[in-house]
Amino acid sequence: GENVEQHPSTLSVQEGDSAVIKCTYSDSASNYFPWYKQELGKRPQLIIDIRSNVGEKKDQRIAVTLNKTAKHFSLHITETQPEDSAVYFCAGGGLERFNKFYFGSGTKLNVKP
Amino acid sequence: ETGVTQTPRHLVMGMTNKKSLKCEQHLGHNAMYWYKQSAKKPLELMFVYSLEERVENNSVPSRFSPECPNSSHLFLHLHTLQPEDSALYLCASSQATSGSYNEQFFGPGTRLTVL
Repeated sequence: GENVEQHPSTLSVQEGDSAVIKCTYSDSASNYFPWYKQELGKRPQLIIDIRSNVGEKKDQRIAVTLNKTAKHFSLHITETQPEDSAVYFCAGGGLERFNKFYFGSGTKLNVKP
Repeated sequence: ETGVTQTPRHLVMGMTNKKSLKCEQHLGHNAMYWYKQSAKKPLELMFVYSLEERVENNSVPSRFSPECPNSSHLFLHLHTLQPEDSALYLCASSQATSGSYNEQFFGPGTRLTVL
């Protein structure tokens, strides 16, 4: 099956700085890569996703890049704010019927005001 | 309540107890999932149900027994658990469509402690 690795496990940045979280995957058949944000004590929620036919996708302050050849993808958050503090999970999956994802181990992002 | 709900939110049980976790989705989705979330580990996919049929069992021990009586409800029956089974158990649902991916919506989770 798929194996998704995520780094770093913790990341601390100053408010206004950028944050980058990186993930690698093992299965070349994976072609969908969502990112979820989980605030303390809350459920994971989708913040952005990318499909393998696209190299980059942006939504306001967040962007995701995908390198299919190297099998890695990254989440970029610019102009970070304290409310960005949370655990971020990357995931990878193939185009199957059941939306089956394999998640990374998570990155705890702390944005210091 | 809208979205995905889970009950109970917290559960403490002994190793010899039998208990059940309940998940309900109000989104009209056709696929439901159980995940285990332990500290410093990835979200582990346990079971996938599509149209009430189990389509995935990721080598989960038999002390965990899922049940999906209809497309809106999903249960996880627990018996003779071990302390290492203590974790947050998350339910999710999605509209699984052949050839495309759709967002998984998560419930708030059940925090399980096995003594």
